[in-house]
Amino acid sequence: KQEVTQIPAALSVPEGENLVLNCSFTDSAIYNLQWFRQDPGKGLTSLLLIQSSQREQTSGRLNASLDKSSGRSTLYIAASQPGDSATYLCAVRGADGLTFGKGTHLIIQP
Amino acid sequence: NAGVMQNPRHLVRRRGQEARLRCSPMKGHSHVYWYRQLPEEGLKFMVYLQKENIIDESGMPKERFSAEFPKEGPSILRIQQVVRGDSAAYFCASSVQRGQRSTDTQYFGPGTRLTVL
Repeated sequence: KQEVTQIPAALSVPEGENLVLNCSFTDSAIYNLQWFRQDPGKGLTSLLLIQSSQREQTSGRLNASLDKSSGRSTLYIAASQPGDSATYLCAVRGADGLTFGKGTHLIIQP
Repeated sequence: NAGVMQNPRHLVRRRGQEARLRCSPMKGHSHVYWYRQLPEEGLKFMVYLQKENIIDESGMPKERFSAEFPKEGPSILRIQQVVRGDSAAYFCASSVQRGQRSTDTQYFGPGTRLTVL
């Protein structure tokens, strides 16, 4: 059974810093990996999707990498802004569907 | 094109009552998924439905929970005789292509937050 772990569980940094969120998964037989953003009281917004054959994806200040063989992914956020404050969820798609981590709660201090 | 819609956004029930959660998929999507997010937990898959068919309900509790996606109208997640442990956020997602094993993107709704008193 797939398990997804996200570290750290919470992170608070000053505005402008670059930061890295980590995601690890136990079963490397995945179709893709996806990073979501969840704001309080709202649904999930897809940020980046990396297919199993890809190594990384970039969107604006976000860069996600995937090392399928080691079961790891990182989400890099450059030049963080207060508006980046949210919970970031990592999810892997495998034979048994989408499996989510518990998320990293990120606070960017103005 | 409106996104996935869920209602109500917040629902309060007393123990023993029934809860009905509705999900309208994005236009053109015929595949619906329900997830539950317990406090301090990640989202957990519950059930995957197509129109008039339950495809995979492996994540749904065997008792008190049921789901449907009729030919017309929204998908309904029904919880009978709710207990405090059912308090959670319930998210619905939809996709165009066939689901759980597909690489097709799932689009999520805003969720329904159920509180059981």
